[in-house]
Amino acid sequence: GAVVSQHPSWVICKSGTSVKIECRSLDFQATTMFWYRQFPKQSLMLMATSNEGSKATYEQGVEKDKFLINHASLTLSTLTVTSAHPEDSSFYICSAPPVLAGSYEQYFGPGTRLTVT
Amino acid sequence: DAKTTQPTSMDCAEGRAANLPCNHSTISGNEYVYWYRQIHSQGPQYIIHGLKNNETNEMASLIITEDRKSSTLILPHATLRDTAVYYCIVRVGGGNQGGKLIFGQGTELSVKP
Repeated sequence: GAVVSQHPSWVICKSGTSVKIECRSLDFQATTMFWYRQFPKQSLMLMATSNEGSKATYEQGVEKDKFLINHASLTLSTLTVTSAHPEDSSFYICSAPPVLAGSYEQYFGPGTRLTVT
Repeated sequence: DAKTTQPTSMDCAEGRAANLPCNHSTISGNEYVYWYRQIHSQGPQYIIHGLKNNETNEMASLIITEDRKSSTLILPHATLRDTAVYYCIVRVGGGNQGGKLIFGQGTELSVKP
């Protein structure tokens, strides 16, 4: 199946700094990518929809100025957590549906574990 | 998208069939039933999807009731590696582009030796 990668797989940063997480579709193009956040023992929560060549769409309650999303190409979306705080520590996961006729699947990245100290 | 209800947890003996139920009583005619699973600390993995007919692939079978208000995911011969959280999601089919997936709490399946 199609592969989605994320980088880094884990990161530790100090409070107040910014962290960038990359999501890449390795063998297919995706005009849309999704970003999720998952806290321990909880389900995935959709944060935003990343759209290639246009602004991201954020879910209600997600601060767009804090979680900056850029979808610069058909294979790359980035999520930047600005001025990170300990409460931003979480597992961040991206997903991408391929631009393929008849495709109904979404492929998920392996996730990035962010720890803010 | 319609809301789904799943049991919080289930146990299954290794080698036996695991039957995971999902209720989606408010499903609309153009909404598909999707199943994903998430093994601990990994990204979710697509399992199967269906509209109204039963479906089978190399991983599982999906049985959808005639009124489409509920469905069951069947893992025919569960192994220890099938231990995961299983999510039933209902949404409009994606066509060329899958729409966003809204995850509920899912069912935590434990396969025991």
